[in-house]
Amino acid sequence: EDKVVQSPLSLVVHEGDTVTLNCSYEVTNFRSLLWYKQEKKAPTFLFMLTSSGIEKKSGRLSSILDKKELFSILNITATQTGDSAIYLCAVARLNTGTASKLTFGTGTRLQVTL
Amino acid sequence: SAVISQKPSRDICQRGTSLTIQCQVDSQVTMMFWYRQQPGQSLTLIATANQGSEATYESGFVIDKFPISRPNLTFSTLTVSNMSPEDSSIYLCSVGINTDYEQYFGPGTRLTVT
Repeated sequence: EDKVVQSPLSLVVHEGDTVTLNCSYEVTNFRSLLWYKQEKKAPTFLFMLTSSGIEKKSGRLSSILDKKELFSILNITATQTGDSAIYLCAVARLNTGTASKLTFGTGTRLQVTL
Repeated sequence: SAVISQKPSRDICQRGTSLTIQCQVDSQVTMMFWYRQQPGQSLTLIATANQGSEATYESGFVIDKFPISRPNLTFSTLTVSNMSPEDSSIYLCSVGINTDYEQYFGPGTRLTVT
């Protein structure tokens, strides 16, 4: 059974801090790893990673994948109160003959305070 | 990405009744997916819906309880049948963009069953 474990479960930081969120996984036929930000109901797509060692970057957010050690990190620099959300990690498994399946972790709840 | 809408945004229903949730996309997509997020939990895939074929359900989910329609490449519905309080969740549709594992989510439907 596919497994995705995120840590920490929750985190409280001050505005301006840098945070690192972790995601480790076990999956058969790995296809990709995705990061989402969930503020209310809908997860918002952040990154998709398929290759090891290649950093994806968008503004103050960046992410990298290690396919040998089976983990990914999401970094947020100079955090702002608007970064407060649940960050979800998901891995996609390639299924023969059917669609890829995403398995989600339970998320890291980030709270950024003034 | 794509613009995805869901209706209703939220609803409060009595046990024993059924609710149909609609998902509309602004472009044609092959794969559409339905997820459930129970309170305090992460996302769980209910089923994959392809146009012109029956939906593929994940373990623990059955067609009689969660019938799905996919009449064309931009629209799908999920019905939650014979509801009980345990069905209180956020229901999300997602679409595969470029690939079936690069998924973008709709705004979600928050369902409360009393």
